[in-house]
Amino acid sequence: NAGVTQTPKFQVLKTGQSMTLQCAQDMNHEYMSWYRQDPGMGLRLIHYSVGAGITDQGEVPNGYNVSRSTTEDFPLRLLSAAPSQTSVYFCASNAHGFPAKNIQYFGAGTRLSVL
Amino acid sequence: LAKTTQPISMDSYEGQEVNITCSHNNIATNDYITWYQQFPSQGPRFIIQGYKTKVTNEVASLFIPADRKSSTLSLPRVSLSDTAVYYCLVGDKNAGNMLTFGGGTRLMVKP
Repeated sequence: NAGVTQTPKFQVLKTGQSMTLQCAQDMNHEYMSWYRQDPGMGLRLIHYSVGAGITDQGEVPNGYNVSRSTTEDFPLRLLSAAPSQTSVYFCASNAHGFPAKNIQYFGAGTRLSVL
Repeated sequence: LAKTTQPISMDSYEGQEVNITCSHNNIATNDYITWYQQFPSQGPRFIIQGYKTKVTNEVASLFIPADRKSSTLSLPRVSLSDTAVYYCLVGDKNAGNMLTFGGGTRLMVKP
């Protein structure tokens, strides 16, 4: 049981490049979400999904796209990378219903640098 | 939108009990209070969750008064490995009731 798997672990991009951060979970969780964490700061919610085919914006969605075609996968796409997107990105999943939905399982993170 | 307020940082020594208090004055009736722990270079990890009174597990205790406007995470006899950031969270109604992480409390345990 791998839990939440994120790839890649590290990535360096040039300004203007695009890329996709992958996230997969094997716990059959309906909820998945993406957060970014800047140095010394808390996590900020980018996008989230409450089920396959359903996504919504979080606190900081600009510059990012998501889709949820399967329960297991929730990729995050950077459309045109900017230095302001240099951060650590965490993917998380959780079951639905109270109080289980408050127990999120996080991946190990993707460390992204945009030059 | 329920927000939480907790101290930015705390220092302690090995073997002491640490209490981290969080205020959530606008908590909704059906909201639970959830605490997470984050070590450097790792994703947050669920510690404990409660609705009212007291909850205890193998890691910590959570005390919630009757008005539920605050909560206190208690870590018994901390060790150096408890040095981490601790987050107090309640649901965010503006984001599908997803959890909103604030800045957390940076706990430094000294020898």
